[in-house]
Amino acid sequence: KAGVTQTPRYLIKTRGQQVTLSCSPISGHRSVSWYQQTPGQGLQFLFEYFSETQRNKGNFPGRFSGRQFSNSRSEMNVSTLELGDSALYLCASSLKGSGANVLTFGAGSRLTVL
Amino acid sequence: GDSVTQMEGPVTLSEEAFLTINCTYTATGYPSLFWYVQYPGEGLQLLLKATKADDKGSNKGFEATYRKETTSFHLEKGSVQVSDSAVYFCALSDGVGGSYIPTFGRGTSLIVHP
Repeated sequence: KAGVTQTPRYLIKTRGQQVTLSCSPISGHRSVSWYQQTPGQGLQFLFEYFSETQRNKGNFPGRFSGRQFSNSRSEMNVSTLELGDSALYLCASSLKGSGANVLTFGAGSRLTVL
Repeated sequence: GDSVTQMEGPVTLSEEAFLTINCTYTATGYPSLFWYVQYPGEGLQLLLKATKADDKGSNKGFEATYRKETTSFHLEKGSVQVSDSAVYFCALSDGVGGSYIPTFGRGTSLIVHP
């Protein structure tokens, strides 16, 4: 079965612009979570969506937002980009997002802010 | 709050050497423990997991035992291969407050030379 698909894989933006990243989870998975990965901070949790509702949110400014559609696909948006937003953004899906559920990650979207 | 501490990398080994990557954790509840692996240019994928004390997770020759008394979940492999070169992440999920969002360690890079 198809894995978690993230688009675009690579993108370059300039400061002040905004960006939208997309994530298609594994079929049947209703929980989608997003992480920011940087060399300095490691993996940091952004937010989790389950059945179109944001269920958990990490400690990121309001410039970072997301949503989930009825087909479980999710998007995240970063507005007014800053240099420090350059990172690999990873999306992960799971069946229920609870207990010992395993996360299945996509390959990520690598954002470079100039 | 929850935290995961991994040994600093990179760990550099010759092929067929024995591998240990240390992981210790602090958790409020009774967590499930995971090891994820990230190969170059890819997202994270589950390597193994353990859900209760004294459980041993194993996969692809890798093993880790859930040690509650030492709050540890060290990753071991008896004979590494060049193809094991990757970044390894220890993680926990404990469900405290109804949130099962995993807490990840900073990752340990493994480099295996022929």
